[in-house]
Amino acid sequence: DTGVSQNPRHKITKRGQNVTFRCDPISEHNRLYWYRQTLGQGPEFLTYFQNEAQLEKSRLLSDRFSAERPKGSFSTLEIQRTEQGDSAMYLCASSATRPDTQYFGPGTRLTVL
Amino acid sequence: DQQVKQNSPSLSVQEGRISILNCDYTNSMFDYFLWYKKYPAEGPTFLISISSIKDKNEDGRFTVFLNKSAKHLSLHIVPSQPGDSAVYFCAAAGGSQGNLIFGKGTKLSVKP
Repeated sequence: DTGVSQNPRHKITKRGQNVTFRCDPISEHNRLYWYRQTLGQGPEFLTYFQNEAQLEKSRLLSDRFSAERPKGSFSTLEIQRTEQGDSAMYLCASSATRPDTQYFGPGTRLTVL
Repeated sequence: DQQVKQNSPSLSVQEGRISILNCDYTNSMFDYFLWYKKYPAEGPTFLISISSIKDKNEDGRFTVFLNKSAKHLSLHIVPSQPGDSAVYFCAAAGGSQGNLIFGKGTKLSVKP
């Protein structure tokens, strides 16, 4: 069990650029979640995959955000035309069943200048 | 409207004493509760969980208590150690997809 991994760990970009983050879940976990955390807040749910199917999206996930999980393995989160308000820690978590403990990756810190 | 509330932004405790972190929730559909510990620039680390069918769960120095009628849970750490200093998040899950709803966290400082 190597845990959940996320890449890159840090990303600095200019406003208007597109960015893509990757999450590799724990290998036997079929559920994958994306969250966003800003300063002084707890993580906030963005979207959820069961295997390759995206089953739930938060209203926080504007149309500039898109997530995929091809073949039910790793997942990517893309933000198009980044805005300064997108600056946050983006967290990925995975779990085996519901209810079950979600294990988080180290996060990707996005800074939009 | 916050469904999970941690009303104490910070807590300071002496090493060896008990730390008690509190959490309140409003949604009666929540049926699974978790505590996570978070260091700066890292992802949350799972500590302990409890199902709504139980009122207590223990794991070593950590015990979580659930009072469903009061919609309240608490995390007890005994004895507290300086390495426990971190931000602690309470989270709740309910519904088929299982996404977690987090509180804003409590920063615990354990002083030697």
